[in-house]
Amino acid sequence: DAKTTQPTSMDCAEGRAANLPCNHSTISGNEYVYWYRQIHSQGPQYIIHGLKNNETNEMASLIITEDRKSSTLILPHATLRDTAVYYCIVRAQGAQKLVFGQGTRLTINP
Amino acid sequence: EAQVTQNPRYLITVTGKKLTVTCSQNMNHEYMSWYRQDPGLGLRQIYYSMNVEVTDKGDVPEGYKVSRKEKRNFPLILESPSPNQTSLYFCASSSSWTNTEAFFGQGTRLTVV
Repeated sequence: DAKTTQPTSMDCAEGRAANLPCNHSTISGNEYVYWYRQIHSQGPQYIIHGLKNNETNEMASLIITEDRKSSTLILPHATLRDTAVYYCIVRAQGAQKLVFGQGTRLTINP
Repeated sequence: EAQVTQNPRYLITVTGKKLTVTCSQNMNHEYMSWYRQDPGLGLRQIYYSMNVEVTDKGDVPEGYKVSRKEKRNFPLILESPSPNQTSLYFCASSSSWTNTEAFFGQGTRLTVV
């Protein structure tokens, strides 16, 4: 699986959009981009995933650049409960595991 | 409610005393796996199971055993726990392993003294 690079930490004001970047410059054509988050030692929670098109669900939006070398997870109206570690994971179709890096610790400030 | 349930949530035990951490899912998922999480090392996969009676080693299987006798359950067994197995453990499941979301349990914090 391709390696991902994320900032160690980020801050965002409550009510604003949180934009979390992820670089995956070695991604290959059959690899998907997944985002999970982990709130204070709870089990990781799936957020969203995509291959090359932008994706949106009730939790977030995923913007993948045209060359697929980077992506951005957008939480449109961050709340205090969005404070968590966010993991960007690249995984090939059929790969049997998720490889978690160190993630980005996002803090939402009141 | 769809969920993965682990028990116990917290456990303190002594070196060498066999223990089992249970994991059960109610989503009829084929795929289940175990991870451990340690500071600075992230989440690492211990074992996984593609289906009933099919299990295989992950990245850090030493000191652990698993079984998959029925689809919903995937217990993690520590035959002779040691202090280096002190960790936060997570069980996960997914319907299959082709780009579907994984559901994680709430975790089991194990301390071996």
